[in-house]
Amino acid sequence: NAGVTQTPKFQVLKTGQSMTLQCAQDMNHEYMSWYRQDPGMGLRLIHYSVGAGITDQGEVPNGYNVSRSTTEDFPLRLLSAAPSQTSVYFCASSYAPGTGGSYEQYFGPGTRLTVT
Amino acid sequence: AQSVTQLDSQVPVFEEAPVELRCNYSSSVSVYLFWYVQYPNQGLQLLLKYLSGSTLVESINGFEAEFNKSQTSFHLRKPSVHISDTAEYFCAVLNTGGFKTIFGAGTRLFVKA
Repeated sequence: NAGVTQTPKFQVLKTGQSMTLQCAQDMNHEYMSWYRQDPGMGLRLIHYSVGAGITDQGEVPNGYNVSRSTTEDFPLRLLSAAPSQTSVYFCASSYAPGTGGSYEQYFGPGTRLTVT
Repeated sequence: AQSVTQLDSQVPVFEEAPVELRCNYSSSVSVYLFWYVQYPNQGLQLLLKYLSGSTLVESINGFEAEFNKSQTSFHLRKPSVHISDTAEYFCAVLNTGGFKTIFGAGTRLFVKA
C-alpha cells in the first residue's frame, strides 16, 4: 500500500513554462485535494475533488487547473508558471466527508517547485 | 467562513518540559478539529482529531488536545517533550458536512537539550 505518491519531488521552471504535478493514491479515497505551503501561511487549498469527474476551487485556484478522470489520480496543471507559484505542493486524499469515513487527510511527500 | 489561528509561530522549549501549542478557530457551524505534524522535508501526518464525544483526545505519543466549544479552541499539550518532537504542528478545521479543510499557519516546536 503506497498511500499517496507525488512526482516529481523537485522541479525548476522558467516563467511562462507549463507543467503537470502528478498525484496518485491507492486507498480508494473519494476526496482528493491540492495544497500549497508557503512560510508563515500554513497550507492553502488550491483545488479539490469529491470524486471522479467532480472538481471545485479552493482558496487560491488562479493559475492552476485540475481534472479527475479516475479515482486514483488527481494531476495539478500550472498553465503559465510565475515566480509567485514558487512553493511546496502537497496532494492529500481522504474518504469524502459524510460517507462515514474518518475525515483525516493522508498527505503525499510534496513537490518543491521553483519558478525563476 | 472558517478560519484557524495558531497563536504562536515558534515555541522553543527544553527537553522534558511541558508545552502547549494554541489554536483558535471560527466557524458558524459544527466542526471537526485536527492536529497534524510535519517533520522536516516530509508531508503532514495526523497527530490527533476531535470528531464528537469526549472533548479530550489523545495521541499515541503522549500529546493531547481539548476541544473547548465556548472558547472555540483546540490547544495541543504534552506534559514532557522529547528532542524527537521537534517539528511543525498544524491545527485544522473541517465543517461537518463540508469538503474544505482549513489549516492554520503552523507552529514550529523546537525542543532543546
